Amino acid sequence: EPEVTQTPSHQVTQMGQEVILRCVPISNHLYFYWYRQILGQKVEFLVSFYNNEISEKSEIFDDQFSVERPDGSNFTLKIRSTKLEDSAMYFCASSEARAPNQPQHFGDGTRLSIL
Amino acid sequence: AQSVTQPDIHITVSEGASLELRCNYSYGATPYLFWYVQSPGQGLQLLLKYFSGDTLVQGIKGFEAEFKRSQSSFNLRKPSVHWSDAAEYFCAVRSGGYNKLIFGAGTRLAVHP
Repeated sequence: EPEVTQTPSHQVTQMGQEVILRCVPISNHLYFYWYRQILGQKVEFLVSFYNNEISEKSEIFDDQFSVERPDGSNFTLKIRSTKLEDSAMYFCASSEARAPNQPQHFGDGTRLSIL
Repeated sequence: AQSVTQPDIHITVSEGASLELRCNYSYGATPYLFWYVQSPGQGLQLLLKYFSGDTLVQGIKGFEAEFKRSQSSFNLRKPSVHWSDAAEYFCAVRSGGYNKLIFGAGTRLAVHP
């Protein structure tokens, strides 16, 4: 069964450094998402992406964050200048279509630790 | 605003016992509801979903859930729990035109042999 793949599985970064989290969505999917889960808290929506542009973003997704689909397969989340509070598990998801009966398929996540 | 509440943070059951995990939602229109499971070190796997029609939906791994509009609930059930079901379970509601998911806080299930 096709899977969403995320790399790396664990990223340790110094505060203030830039970090890029990578995702390879399922190949025929058109809608892409990033979520995060701070330890002990809920999974929170960050951003959705379609047709090479952001379709929706949350309050969390401020100017420090950006997303990109640099080629036909990768979908990246960049945090420009990381803060301690960015430490979390970041999940990428994709869905085939926009229709509500199309579920989102999640990757295994990248654990980001900011020192 | 839309929200999802999972009242039970942690549940422990014995292997072979029945299970019910509670989920309540707040949503103005017809909700689209999901249950996901997260095993340690893994991503979120879809167990089942509800959009319309039959209010009792079947999912993978022997799970089912019942949508009750009058109670704003979508509880997950399994008649006989296996040790491999130990995981964290998340209820979610779809929100908005681009289908972002709003998650509950999760229920961590432990299974005793």
